[in-house]
Parts: sequence; structure tokens; C-alpha cells
Amino acid sequence: KAGVTQTPRYLIKTRGQQVTLSCSPISGHRSVSWYQQTPGQGLQFLFEYFSETQRNKGNFPGRFSGRQFSNSRSEMNVSTLELGDSALYLCASSYSGDPNEQFFGPGTRLTVL
Amino acid sequence: AQTVTQSQPEMSVQEAETVTLSCTYDTSESDYYLFWYKQPPSRQMILVIRQEAYKQQNATENRFSVNFQKAAKSFSLKISDSQLGDAAMYFCAYRKVQGAQKLVFGQGTRLTINP
Repeated sequence: KAGVTQTPRYLIKTRGQQVTLSCSPISGHRSVSWYQQTPGQGLQFLFEYFSETQRNKGNFPGRFSGRQFSNSRSEMNVSTLELGDSALYLCASSYSGDPNEQFFGPGTRLTVL
Repeated sequence: AQTVTQSQPEMSVQEAETVTLSCTYDTSESDYYLFWYKQPPSRQMILVIRQEAYKQQNATENRFSVNFQKAAKSFSLKISDSQLGDAAMYFCAYRKVQGAQKLVFGQGTRLTINP
């Protein structure tokens, strides 16, 4: 089985721009979660989508949004980028049954200048 | 809210020796999962081992084992016969059993293996 894929792997944007990141889960996985990783804040949960519905949301401003498509692929969008949004964004997918460990993608490294 | 604490920002060990990474957590739930993830320089997060809170027996995966002390809310990872490929950031994580797949991570421990 192919693993979780994320595109693009690297991205450079300037302040004020918006960005869209994509995540394709492992085949058969219906849950997709997003995490932000920074040196200062560590790994923080952004949101989770299950069957095209947002099931849980972390403590991030409304500039961070996401969606999930019928094929379980997910996108996250960050509008009006700030320097502090520079981070590694990790996507993880899991099967809805048990065991339901989350399998992570390689991440998208976003740099905001 | 649940919290996870890793009190050792960095650890080092000689190749072939044993090392233990510490993790404590706080929760009011009685049933939950605990995980150790490894993040090598490639940044790919890899699951090392998982423990269900309702199981008293400590989980083991080859050279990796945990010491799960539920009453003390402690969940340490022991790596035996350390190998150069074990060098990485190690994250302890917590997740509720029911509902959303939200993982709560500790701050991580950077493990260095000395040849």
C-alpha cells in the first residue's frame, strides 16, 4: 500500500498571501488529521476530517481552514499568511476501525518571508 | 485538557547500550492510548510502539519496550541494544479512545547514538 502523500513538499510564500496544502491518505483510510510543527510550539493539532466532515478542531485562528473530499483526500488552507505560520505541516491518516494508529506523511515545509 | 510532558530535551547513549526516555501525562480519562513516535532527520513521523491504557501488560516491539505506570501517569520508552539508526527525535503522544483522532504530543527528546 502506498503511504500518506503530501504536496508540495516545500513552499515559500510571502506575508499576506494564501496557501493550500494537499494530503492523500492511505487507501481505505477515512480520517485525516493535520498538525503544525514548529521549534517553539512543538506539534499542535490543527483539525481532523472524517467522511468529509470536520470532527475536531484545534486552537488555531480562522485563517486556518480545511476540507476533505469524497475520496478522503484533504486540503488545508492558510489565508493572510504571517511569519509565524512558517512550520512543517504534517498530515496523518487512520482507518476508522481498530487498530487505528495514525500514519504520517512526510510533511510540507512552509516558509513565510 | 490533556497534557504530555517529556522532561529530557536531549539524551545520548553509546551504541549497543540501553536508554530510557521519560514521559508523563495528565488526563481525567480512564481509557486512552499512549504512543511513542520517532522522527528522524527526514522528518517522517514513524510509530514506534503503542499502549492501550486498559492493558496492564507493557507493550513490546523488538528492541523497544515501555514501562506503563497508570497510577503514576508515566509512560517511559526503553530502547535496548541501541543502533545508529535509532538517532532521532522521540515524541510521546496521548489520544482518547473515543471520538476524534487528536494526538497530544510532548515536546520531544532528541536521542543521539554515540558509535
